[in-house]
Amino acid sequence: GIQVEQSPPDLILQEGANSTLRCNFSDSVNNLQWFHQNPWGQLINLFYIPSGTKQNGRLSATTVATERYSLLYISSSQTTDSGVYFCAEDVGGSNYKLTFGKGTLLTVNP
Amino acid sequence: DTAVSQTPKYLVTQMGNDKSIKCEQNLGHDTMYWYKQDSKKFLKIMFSYNNKELIINETVPNRFSPKSPDKAHLNLHINSLELGDSAVYFCASSPRMGPANEQFFGPGTRLTVL
Repeated sequence: GIQVEQSPPDLILQEGANSTLRCNFSDSVNNLQWFHQNPWGQLINLFYIPSGTKQNGRLSATTVATERYSLLYISSSQTTDSGVYFCAEDVGGSNYKLTFGKGTLLTVNP
Repeated sequence: DTAVSQTPKYLVTQMGNDKSIKCEQNLGHDTMYWYKQDSKKFLKIMFSYNNKELIINETVPNRFSPKSPDKAHLNLHINSLELGDSAVYFCASSPRMGPANEQFFGPGTRLTVL
């Protein structure tokens, strides 16, 4: 079946540090999204990025669909960046649904 | 101007009870979904509806019955609740079913079965 693997599973940073989160997927992608689940449980859309590169403030993402991976970059991390980062892909076919990775738990310490 | 809303936010109930969770989206989307997040934070699709029609049912027990009275609403009714049903349930919507459709999630409903 479809597999979405995220690494690292856990990451601890000092405020101000940069980080890269990786998402590998096993099939060609119709839709790839990155989410941030904050400590209150809300799932916040970060990027819709089936291919190419996008930037939003301190965050940016790149998906290389031909090599089946996506990267999320967080620069100058802040304590409010803490939480779980999920990538999810939709491979299409007859049913469209997001298959999620297990997430990366990010802790940013002051 | 909440895009995808769910009620209630928290639900605590006894085993064996029947409960419902409501979801509404004001984005004008055609497609709505229910996802379940377990205690290990793993998120998995349960159902999807497109224009009120059931499209995906991911081998969910038939104690779970989704109902879509119109395109903007997708409710989840759960009969005979079990301890293992404790989880966070997320509703989501997307413009339509098909490629190139971003999904937007509601705030979640934390269900605790005692």
